[in-house]
Amino acid sequence: GENVEQHPSTLSVQEGDSAVIKCTYSDSASNYFPWYKQELGKRPQLIIDIRSNVGEKKDQRIAVTLNKTAKHFSLHITETQPEDSAVYFCAVNSGTYKYIFGTGTRLKVLA
Amino acid sequence: KAGVTQTPRYLIKTRGQQVTLSCSPISGHRSVSWYQQTPGQGLQFLFEYFSETQRNKGNFPGRFSGRQFSNSRSEMNVSTLELGDSALYLCASRHGVGATYNEQFFGPGTRLTVL
Repeated sequence: GENVEQHPSTLSVQEGDSAVIKCTYSDSASNYFPWYKQELGKRPQLIIDIRSNVGEKKDQRIAVTLNKTAKHFSLHITETQPEDSAVYFCAVNSGTYKYIFGTGTRLKVLA
Repeated sequence: KAGVTQTPRYLIKTRGQQVTLSCSPISGHRSVSWYQQTPGQGLQFLFEYFSETQRNKGNFPGRFSGRQFSNSRSEMNVSTLELGDSALYLCASRHGVGATYNEQFFGPGTRLTVL
């Protein structure tokens, strides 16, 4: 069945450094790959997404890259700040009206 | 535009009872999905409704059910509650059609505690 693996489960970086989170999926029909940020006690917020016809997308300090051949996509956060500390979830939508989520990465940015 | 809203925000029930949770999607959105979030299992898909029809269902027992009304508002029901049903229940809405059809936005969730 469909599966999404997310690594690492926890990540600590110094303020100003970069953070990279990677997700691997199994369904080759997957065509939409969003990333969500969830702060403690709050709802998941869509921060960036990419569709299968694009290899990379950037929005200020965050970017997502997609490798369809290898079936993996990654979230890149540059110049990290303390407010980037949160749990990040990747997800995959294969057009079957449901999203499969990764297990989450707890990012801690150390000041 | 107002965001996705969910009621109630917090609920305490005892084993064996049943519960109904409500979700109002973003205006114009026709798709509503429900998720269960727990520390151990992450975000697990329950079901998705579009124009009052259930289009997909996750791997949850039949005690979990849902419906969608003509105004796109959705409810989910859990019958015969078990301790393991304690979780944050999130709904998410998306337009379902057009260029941004699959951008999904979450509500604040309903925190269900089963005693």
